[in-house]
Formats: sequence, structure tokens, C-alpha cells
Amino acid sequence: ETGVTQTPRHLVMGMTNKKSLKCEQHLGHNAMYWYKQSAKKPLELMFVYNFKEQTENNSVPSRFSPECPNSSHLFLHLHTLQPEDSALYLCASSQEGGLAGGQQETQYFGPGTRLLVL
Amino acid sequence: AQSVTQPDIHITVSEGASLELRCNYSYGATPYLFWYVQSPGQGLQLLLKYFSGDTLVQGIKGFEAEFKRSQSSFNLRKPSVHWSDAAEYFCAVVSSNTGKLIFGQGTTLQVKP
Repeated sequence: ETGVTQTPRHLVMGMTNKKSLKCEQHLGHNAMYWYKQSAKKPLELMFVYNFKEQTENNSVPSRFSPECPNSSHLFLHLHTLQPEDSALYLCASSQEGGLAGGQQETQYFGPGTRLLVL
Repeated sequence: AQSVTQPDIHITVSEGASLELRCNYSYGATPYLFWYVQSPGQGLQLLLKYFSGDTLVQGIKGFEAEFKRSQSSFNLRKPSVHWSDAAEYFCAVVSSNTGKLIFGQGTTLQVKP
């Protein structure tokens, strides 16, 4: 499955570093999502972009900064992270964000970036 | 609070045996229902979804799920499991009230030879 790609696949960073995660979708979709997947916890939705506009921010700390320059690309800029931010970060896309921002459209996921914060 | 529950964290079945993974939700109105699978090192892949109509839904890889309104359940089934089905399975629900997609904690399936 190469519809949604994410780079890098693995990332180790110190708490003072600045890094960025990249997601690209080749499906012609208009909505993109960032999720955090921690061990033994449900997927946590972080951000939603619909037609390049941020439509949802689920109380994510400001050390995570998303950027969506166009409908095909989504970035997650990271700075001064904490060890508890270590997780798998998944990107997804869907045709649209759904009616009135609803997420009932099927979402297609990338393979994720495994992040370790030391 | 609205929630999705997958009661079984880990399930082990023998290859060729039948499988049922449980999913319960707590929403008032009929939600949109999904099952996703995540193989090691991979992202999530949609197995099937239910929006309306026939309550028995067929998906990919021989999976099916049945929506039971009276039990607030959407259990995933497969009549004969293959070793390649070993993965983590997520039930997800979109609340018709909030429009948000909420995932369960996941069930890890191990397949014995």
C-alpha cells in the first residue's frame, strides 16, 4: 500500500531537538489527519485538516505544530518533546473530512513514524 | 461518556479455527462502524464498515461483522483463521452526534500453527 507515505519511519531525538515528520498522500484526498498511537491505548486523534484548513485540534500541546501546505502534504513539527511523547505517529487521509466536519469517510493510513524521545 | 470497548486485549486461536472479536459502543444513535487491522510495522487498513442497511457486512480477507443494535455491538468474525491474520484489530465508531472517529484499544490476535 503506497497511497499514504510517511517519513522518516523511525526517529530518535533528544528533548531539546527540533524535528519534523512528513506525510504525503497520493490518493487525491482533501482531508488529512495526525494520530498518536501509544502502547495499550486507543489511537488519539491530534489534528485534522480539511482542504488545507485545520478543522480540529484535540488539545494537543504546543510542542507539536502541524503544517498543511497543500492537500497532499502534512507535516508535524516537533520541538522540546518529552519522553512520554514517544509513540507511533500515524498519518491518514480521506476524501473529505465528512459533512460538517464528520469523520465517517474511510480513512487511509500511512505506516507511521516510530518516535523515541530520550 | 461516549466510548468504544474491545473487551479482549489478546486472543490466541489455532490456524483454521473460527474467530470472533468483540466490539461494543456506547452511543445513543446508530453510529458509523468500522473495523481496521494493523499488521506489525504497518499502518491501519480498513477491513469493513457499516453505515446502514444489511446488518451483516462483508469485508476483505474473508472477514465479516454483524451490527446488533439491541446489544450495541459490532463483532468481527472469520470462519477459518490463517497465520497471516495475526495482527492487531481495531474497532472504530463515528458518533452521529459529534462526527468524531473514536477507536477502541485494540485486540491482538495470535495464531497458533
